[in-house]
Amino acid sequence: SAVISQKPSRDICQRGTSLTIQCQVDSQVTMMFWYRQQPGQSLTLIATANQGSEATYESGFVIDKFPISRPNLTFSTLTVSNMSPEDSSIYLCSAGQGPNYGYTFGSGTRLTVV
Amino acid sequence: AQSVSQHNHHVILSEAASLELGCNYSYGGTVNLFWYVQYPGQHLQLLLKYFSGDPLVKGIKGFEAEFIKSKFSFNLRKPSVQWSDTAEYFCAVKGVTGGGNKLTFGTGTQLKVEL
Repeated sequence: SAVISQKPSRDICQRGTSLTIQCQVDSQVTMMFWYRQQPGQSLTLIATANQGSEATYESGFVIDKFPISRPNLTFSTLTVSNMSPEDSSIYLCSAGQGPNYGYTFGSGTRLTVV
Repeated sequence: AQSVSQHNHHVILSEAASLELGCNYSYGGTVNLFWYVQYPGQHLQLLLKYFSGDPLVKGIKGFEAEFIKSKFSFNLRKPSVQWSDTAEYFCAVKGVTGGGNKLTFGTGTQLKVEL
């Protein structure tokens, strides 16, 4: 299965600023996703990163707050914009080949907004 | 829309005890089912997955899960737990037909195994 490198692994940011998280997969994958895992909670899907087109966002998440890029089949970025303390969370990248394949997860980015 | 329910939020067991974690899903079409584990301080790892065929699936570290379609369930089992199994366990479902190929996770079960 694919191996995912995600960076940064952690960051402490000032409110009102933005952070871009990078996700690099070691092989071409069909599907890439971004999740959020808030402290003590499960994973919530933010969006599906579509190669060459706009991401598909889940209910409660918008492009202005979480712009996503996916320029090719191995790389994606998630930006957390205009951050507030409520954005403090772990952000995870996931990748897979679609139906009948499992999904691999990156090690996550632990974001703290102060 | 797909959803997953995990009934046990916190489970405490002694070493060598048997484990069964409940998972029920809601989805009207074909699904793939997964169990992931997150050890303290580590990232999510795939324990096992069901796509089709034999409903009894064996995964890593002695874990297994049984897909019961009539009950929309995919319970995780292990006959004898070890202290090293202390972790959080997540059940996840992927709707294959019309589900957008996205994983939906349950709320997780925190397992603590005591010596």
